[in-house]
Amino acid sequence: EAGVAQSPRYKIIEKRQSVAFWCNPISGHATLYWYQQILGQGPKLLIQFQNNGVVDDSQLPKDRFSAERLKGVDSTLKIQPAKLEDSAVYLCASSSFTFRQGGNTEAFFGQGTRLTVV
Amino acid sequence: AQSVTQLDSHVSVSEGTPVLLRCNYSSSYSPSLFWYVQHPNKGLQLLLKYTSAATLVKGINGFEAEFKKSETSFHLTKPSAHMSDAAEYFCVVSFKAAGNKLTFGGGTRVLVKP
Repeated sequence: EAGVAQSPRYKIIEKRQSVAFWCNPISGHATLYWYQQILGQGPKLLIQFQNNGVVDDSQLPKDRFSAERLKGVDSTLKIQPAKLEDSAVYLCASSSFTFRQGGNTEAFFGQGTRLTVV
Repeated sequence: AQSVTQLDSHVSVSEGTPVLLRCNYSSSYSPSLFWYVQHPNKGLQLLLKYTSAATLVKGINGFEAEFKKSETSFHLTKPSAHMSDAAEYFCVVSFKAAGNKLTFGGGTRVLVKP
């Protein structure tokens, strides 16, 4: 079974530029998560989708971050404009859990995208 | 609101000695609890999970954890540390009633001395 795929693996941009990350979850997984992991900290949830609907985006800085999962499969996360404090690893994860059917609650993570803003 | 506290940010052990990583959670619901491991420049890998079945959970690589509801704890142990266990470990809590949002602790970095 293929895992969660993310690209690119690394990205270096200047502040005020824009950047986009892509994620393809495990086939059939309804729930998709984007996490931000700043060096030395635990991952923080940015946004959670179930199919193409948003479940939780309470910690997403909406003035500069956006995310979409239009067809309920792959997803993109965008930052525009980037700030120095956005330097972090951006992790995508998926799980088979749904509100209606329950299912397994564990999430499977991709390798992440390491973003450096200079 | 759900939260997770990992009581030690760093743990140093000698190879062949026991490892104990401590985790406490807070919640109003019955939790699912997980331990993930992150090796340098690698993705997060699930070590084990608790989802309301047996309170003593066995995972990969000889790790196990015990769920204690009265203490709201889910400590991770391994009888004998190996050099390959050097990594960062995260305790994670989620609640089906809250949509299965996964909340991470701050992490514990494990150093294994030869």
